[in-house]
Amino acid sequence: SQKIEQNSEALNIQEGKTATLTCNYTNYSPAYLQWYRQDPGRGPVFLLLIRENEKEKRKERLKVTFDTTLKQSLFHITASQPADSATYLCALDKKAAGNKLTFGGGTRVLVKP
Amino acid sequence: SQTIHQWPATLVQPVGSPLSLECTVEGTSNPNLYWYRQAAGRGLQLLFYSVGIGQISSEVPQNLSASRPQDRQFILSSKKLLLSDSGFYLCAWSGLAPSYNEQFFGPGTRLTVL
Repeated sequence: SQKIEQNSEALNIQEGKTATLTCNYTNYSPAYLQWYRQDPGRGPVFLLLIRENEKEKRKERLKVTFDTTLKQSLFHITASQPADSATYLCALDKKAAGNKLTFGGGTRVLVKP
Repeated sequence: SQTIHQWPATLVQPVGSPLSLECTVEGTSNPNLYWYRQAAGRGLQLLFYSVGIGQISSEVPQNLSASRPQDRQFILSSKKLLLSDSGFYLCAWSGLAPSYNEQFFGPGTRLTVL
């Protein structure tokens, strides 16, 4: 069966350090992968999209890598700040199924000052 | 700019009562629309997907139904709520496939079934 796995344990990190989150998937051939941020009680907010033919994508302090051989994406927050504390979700498309996404369970990040 | 609205923000309903959650999108035409449910501490589960008026795809067999009476209106309903229907319900929209578009989420409705 298809699975998307994110570390369910919270990631505690000191301010200024780099947070690295992992998204692993099985039995998928996604055309693209997305990362979202979700604050408590709010809807997710889109951060980055990376296509299957792209290795790396950057946006300000965020970096995403996509390895379709390993079936893994890494999400990095550099120079982390307390305001980066949130849950981060990865999502994959169901190829040939329109624009429907399947989300991982998310990883909570806590940045301590 | 585009905005998405959901109401109500919170809802407490008894088991067996009906449900109607509404979602509207402004500032875009012909969006794809989605209903998700999120259980506490869990990821998002896609419930329904719509590519146009009256076109609804159900992803998970359940006690819920969806309708799209207008281009930018999406409604989630139930005739009789179950305890297991409790959760955080999110509506989202995106541009048309096959372009690779992100999804934009509404503020959500917190539903508690007692």
